[in-house]
Amino acid sequence: AQSVTQLDSHVSVSEGTPVLLRCNYSSSYSPSLFWYVQHPNKGLQLLLKYTSAATLVKGINGFEAEFKKSETSFHLTKPSAHMSDAAEYFCVVSAAGGGADGLTFGKGTHLIIQP
Amino acid sequence: EPEVTQTPSHQVTQMGQEVILRCVPISNHLYFYWYRQILGQKVEFLVSFYNNEISEKSEIFDDQFSVERPDGSNFTLKIRSTKLEDSAMYFCASRPRTSGRYEQFFGPGTRLTVL
Repeated sequence: AQSVTQLDSHVSVSEGTPVLLRCNYSSSYSPSLFWYVQHPNKGLQLLLKYTSAATLVKGINGFEAEFKKSETSFHLTKPSAHMSDAAEYFCVVSAAGGGADGLTFGKGTHLIIQP
Repeated sequence: EPEVTQTPSHQVTQMGQEVILRCVPISNHLYFYWYRQILGQKVEFLVSFYNNEISEKSEIFDDQFSVERPDGSNFTLKIRSTKLEDSAMYFCASRPRTSGRYEQFFGPGTRLTVL
């Protein structure tokens, strides 16, 4: 069984300041981890993924995340927030064996960017 | 770039009616999925489909739900007798290979409103 906990339901930052969205996971297997973003009235877009290669993963739009097995964390960061980053962010886990397993989503973090 | 498409974007129906939500996955993908997101809640896995049969389903996917791949391109979710609590955003997703290390590609969703 696997689960994801996103520690903050809402995060508010000023434009130009760093972003940190926190995620902890639980998995019986070596997991694959993803961050997806959902802009208002849009579908789910992949930001980045961890698949057992480098533990520091770079994604689109300047986002990156670090896989820390000892802390079972996969926090998402960005050095400088932009107004267009305002959206809902989901941390997602998939079982390593994959197969047909569905993804397990966290509850999401709503990122607010203050001008 | 290939995308998953879904139709309609918004479906309104009366309680007890049947609805069919349609998806066209990316053409060379092998696994297909349905998820739902009730307003204000997290995205939940419903079902996965591979080689023309259901591979895995969640507890949510009860007898009122069915999936089908009627031809080489479409993938449908049927809800036989809709209930008020079926109101949600329904996402279709597809994945290119059998390894879990490959992310799922999501469509823009169909918003189902049951009155």
